[in-house]
Amino acid sequence: GAGVSQSPRYKVAKRGQDVALRCDPISGHVSLFWYQQALGQGPEFLTYFQNEAQLDKSGLPSDRFFAERPEGSVSTLKIQRTQQEDSAVYLCASSLAGPQEDTQYFGPGTRLTVL
Amino acid sequence: SQQGEEDPQALSIQEGENATMNCSYKTSINNLQWYRQNSGRGLVHLILIRSNEREKHSGRLRVTLDTSKKSSSLLITASRAADTASYFCATPRMDSSYKLIFGSGTRLLVRP
Repeated sequence: GAGVSQSPRYKVAKRGQDVALRCDPISGHVSLFWYQQALGQGPEFLTYFQNEAQLDKSGLPSDRFFAERPEGSVSTLKIQRTQQEDSAVYLCASSLAGPQEDTQYFGPGTRLTVL
Repeated sequence: SQQGEEDPQALSIQEGENATMNCSYKTSINNLQWYRQNSGRGLVHLILIRSNEREKHSGRLRVTLDTSKKSSSLLITASRAADTASYFCATPRMDSSYKLIFGSGTRLLVRP
């Protein structure tokens, strides 16, 4: 079956622009996660959804970052007024069940470059 | 903040050799996971070892866990050029197990 997909794969934005990154999780997966990965580093947790409910947004770096999953499937990560420090790869992951599910399946990521 | 730290940061070996990567972590864990990331691609889950396990095998992969030393190792035997990738260890937080805390990774190059 299809894995997690993300679009666009690459995004270049001028500083101050708003961007929207899309994640299509594996069909039927309850949990969805967003991570940010800086160059040469491991991913860092941003936020977690269980179905349409955003249960944890403690990793979002600032109030410029906003994530939603209105129907409990597709999710969008929005970054307003982008800054150069927002340049990173944004990874989405999904898992079948709730918080106790161990395995997260990752998408290919969106590489965001802010000029 | 990063929980796990991999060692070495980079490793270059010849095809057919074994590759060993180590991960150290700071707090108590329920399990430890290893992921692989190819250039430009997402993370692929390789193997999970629980805190009450000491060793686990999956194909050419062998993972060990020493909770007394708060460390784990990943061994790839008979390496192939296709094993070239970055390898990350990750541990879920005890208070919120969905939050995976990743190390900074080991970049493995397998020369043909």
